[in-house]
Amino acid sequence: DARVTQTPRHKVTEMGQEVTMRCQPILGHNTVFWYRQTMMQGLELLAYFRNRAPLDDSGMPKDRFSAEMPDATLATLKIQPSEPRDSAVYFCASGLGGALHFGNGTRLTVT
Amino acid sequence: QKEVEQNSGPLSVPEGAIASLNCTYSDRGSQSFFWYRQYSGKSPELIMSIYSNGDKEDGRFTAQLNKASQYVSLLIRDSQPSDSATYLCAVITLRSNDYKLSFGAGTTVTVRA
Repeated sequence: DARVTQTPRHKVTEMGQEVTMRCQPILGHNTVFWYRQTMMQGLELLAYFRNRAPLDDSGMPKDRFSAEMPDATLATLKIQPSEPRDSAVYFCASGLGGALHFGNGTRLTVT
Repeated sequence: QKEVEQNSGPLSVPEGAIASLNCTYSDRGSQSFFWYRQYSGKSPELIMSIYSNGDKEDGRFTAQLNKASQYVSLLIRDSQPSDSATYLCAVITLRSNDYKLSFGAGTTVTVRA
């Protein structure tokens, strides 16, 4: 059963450190999304790619966040420098059209 | 006005009852509609999609779409404790060379045994 793979599952880091999250989308899916979820804000769209091209990253704080898709099998989300308010669960999702398959998420804690 | 709105809940129903979840959207041009289920501590999973007006049934789940009124609903018949989760409504709206996928904030459902 094909699935979206995210690493790491958990990350605890200190404020100011760089954090890199990785996502392997399902083979053949041409759209990749990065979402952040907190209890207060729900699912927030950070960025998405179609055919590896970034289409919308308006939800992402540009000064510290960056998202890339160096090839069709890898999407990355980086935070540099990280801050305590970045603590959340970060989901990657891939799909064809609107039906998305979500990864298990990376639970990030910044102290 | 939010693009997709849902009753935040929590919605508490007794086991065996029907749970009814509602979702409204703001863009009349929206074309595709989805329901995702998210268990606590887990990732969202797609349970229903609907594209045309009317009802779509899948097991105990029925999605209903009314584009004129701009709402989509999800009915869960014979609710089970395993249905306790947060249900997210998602809507696709086509743009000139792309589409936009918007999620509601979710409705939390608790099924009482």
